[in-house]
Amino acid sequence: AQSVAQPEDQVNVAEGNPLTVKCTYSVSGNPYLFWYVQYPNRGLQFLLKYITGDNLVKGSYGFEAEFNKSQTSFHLKKPSALVSDSALYFCAVRDMDSNYQLIWGAGTKLIIKP
Amino acid sequence: DAGVIQSPRHEVTEMGQEVTLRCKPISGHNSLFWYRQTMMRGLELLIYFNNNVPIDDSGMPEDRFSAKMPNASFSTLKIQPSEPRDSAVYFCASSSFRANTEAFFGQGTRLTVV
Repeated sequence: AQSVAQPEDQVNVAEGNPLTVKCTYSVSGNPYLFWYVQYPNRGLQFLLKYITGDNLVKGSYGFEAEFNKSQTSFHLKKPSALVSDSALYFCAVRDMDSNYQLIWGAGTKLIIKP
Repeated sequence: DAGVIQSPRHEVTEMGQEVTLRCKPISGHNSLFWYRQTMMRGLELLIYFNNNVPIDDSGMPEDRFSAKMPNASFSTLKIQPSEPRDSAVYFCASSSFRANTEAFFGQGTRLTVV
């Protein structure tokens, strides 16, 4: 069965420092991976996706993610965190065995401290 | 496009009453998802439509919940009778039925059952 894990419930980073939000996956076949962000009282917003090609994917708001097939990971990164990056982040993978449903991680709360 | 539109944004109702949540997906999208989000359970997929047909409703909690998609531009999620434990934020999302495409979320409906 397809699955996604976000091992950290919360990540704390000082403003200006680099940030990493971790995601690992388990799929049969090639993975289609996504990152979303949720600000308070808002819906989930798409950040970036990995489909194929370059392992480093760039997305919105200066975020990027690195696909690592051998480690089955798709970690979200940003070189310099902003206080406004504080939000809930979700990793997801398309379930190719179940009509392309999205399988979601539990979410990671990112807190950026000034 | 205005994105995925949900109504109402907030709903407060008394236990036992019927509640209907509405969703207008993005034009041209043929997949529609209803999710529920709570602090305790996180993001849960309730039901998934493809081309207006329910593909997977295994996440619907019980018979009190029902969902319909009478046409490509409208879907409803109904709870009858509502209970306090149904209090949550309900999201609708839509996408193309392709593995490499992202889903777009509405702003959500915050339901409070008192």
